[in-house]
Amino acid sequence: DQQVKQNSPSLSVQEGRISILNCDYTNSMFDYFLWYKKYPAEGPTFLISISSIKDKNEDGRFTVFLNKSAKHLSLHIVPSQPGDSAVYFCAASTQGGSEKLVFGKGTKLTVNP
Amino acid sequence: IAGITQAPTSQILAAGRRMTLRCTQDMRHNAMYWYRQDLGLGLRLIHYSNTAGTTGKGEVPDGYSVSRANTDDFPLTLASAVPSQTSVYFCASSDRQGSYGYTFGSGTRLTVV
Repeated sequence: DQQVKQNSPSLSVQEGRISILNCDYTNSMFDYFLWYKKYPAEGPTFLISISSIKDKNEDGRFTVFLNKSAKHLSLHIVPSQPGDSAVYFCAASTQGGSEKLVFGKGTKLTVNP
Repeated sequence: IAGITQAPTSQILAAGRRMTLRCTQDMRHNAMYWYRQDLGLGLRLIHYSNTAGTTGKGEVPDGYSVSRANTDDFPLTLASAVPSQTSVYFCASSDRQGSYGYTFGSGTRLTVV
């Protein structure tokens, strides 16, 4: 049973517009959520995270929103840039991020110039 | 530069052969992990180690073994490779105390023919 779900395998947006990547989870014990970004031929790199005690965390152009009641989080990228084109993985863990991460299947974002 | 080194970067391997993927970190992280990434399946945990001398099975451990003789090294061995083990393998580490999840290596692309 997949505990972290990214139901959109791909997303295409125009440069300058907003990109919204979605993630749903089923395990109510998850209390820490992360987004990773992966370019081809490279390992995933940490992008942004959020604790379950918050509903929003912002870092520059990237904002993550958490809706605990819906077990849903989203990553907003504003404005989107061609360099943002990558695969984005949603991940979740228990115990404040200190336990094993469970990853979604990823969403491939393409930002068109 | 602190981080994780994986070797080789890519390999073509005949089915039935034995292969060890190497992973070394210089961050003194306690925990280390091996993931495989397959199209449409995301990142799946193969094996992990919470600290030197201990290992555990992840989601897809069959056909793989690991050892953790010291803090820095976490090799992954395929005793008798099969074509279904064709994948990109990522090693990761974490200090299990921070808020940033894992640090990933650049990956090993393995093709079993």
